[in-house]
Amino acid sequence: GNSVTQMEGPVTLSEEAFLTINCTYTATGYPSLFWYVQYPGEGLQLLLKATKADDKGSNKGFEATYRKETTSFHLEKGSVQVSDSAVYFCALRGQGAQKLVFGQGTRLTINP
Amino acid sequence: ETGVTQTPRHLVMGMTNKKSLKCEQHLGHNAMYWYKQSAKKPLELMFVYSLEERVENNSVPSRFSPECPNSSHLFLHLHTLQPEDSALYLCASSQGSGENEKLFFGSGTQLSVL
Repeated sequence: GNSVTQMEGPVTLSEEAFLTINCTYTATGYPSLFWYVQYPGEGLQLLLKATKADDKGSNKGFEATYRKETTSFHLEKGSVQVSDSAVYFCALRGQGAQKLVFGQGTRLTINP
Repeated sequence: ETGVTQTPRHLVMGMTNKKSLKCEQHLGHNAMYWYKQSAKKPLELMFVYSLEERVENNSVPSRFSPECPNSSHLFLHLHTLQPEDSALYLCASSQGSGENEKLFFGSGTQLSVL
C-alpha cells in the first residue's frame, strides 16, 4: 500500500540556517504530494503541494520538488526563522481520490 | 482559526471512565474525519464521515465509537480505554474530492489515559 517515510526528528537549527527535511514515498501510479505544518497548540495546515512529477510546490519561503525518479518530496527553506518552529508532516494522496496518507512528522526547533 | 473547533483541549480519564470528544466545523463542509496523532508514528486515520454516513473505519477498536448527528458536528465516544490510547486526537473537515479536496484541522484534544 501507499506509505510515507520522513527523516526522524527532532531537528534543531539556528536562525537563518538552511533547512532540509527528507521525505520519500511508496505508491502506485502518480500520487499527489503534500507538506502540512502543525504550529504549537494548533491543528495541521496545508503548507504546499505538488500534483505531478517535476512540479515544485512553494509557500512562505518553503519549497519541495516532486521527484518521481527518487520517489522523494524533500522540504527546503533557505533561511529559517524562529517562527518556523513546528512539526512538519509529509503526505500523499494516491491516484483516484484516495484518502491522505501521512508520515510520522518531524519536529523542527529554530533557536535565535 | 481554521473553522474547526474541538473540545475539550485536554482530557485526563481513567480506564473505566466514559467520555466524549466533540468537533464542530463552521465551513459548510460535507466530510469529517478523526485522526490519532501519537509520537513518532504516522498520523492515523480512524474514521471518515461523508454526508453524515460513515464511509471508512480503519480497524479501530470498538472502545472508540464515532457519531455524526449532522454535517457540522462529529463526536468520538470513549469507553474503557487503555493507556496506549493516550494521544492527540485531531478532527478535520473537507469539501470536494480528489485533487481539489483540502483538509482543515482542529487543534486537537490531548488525551491522557491513566
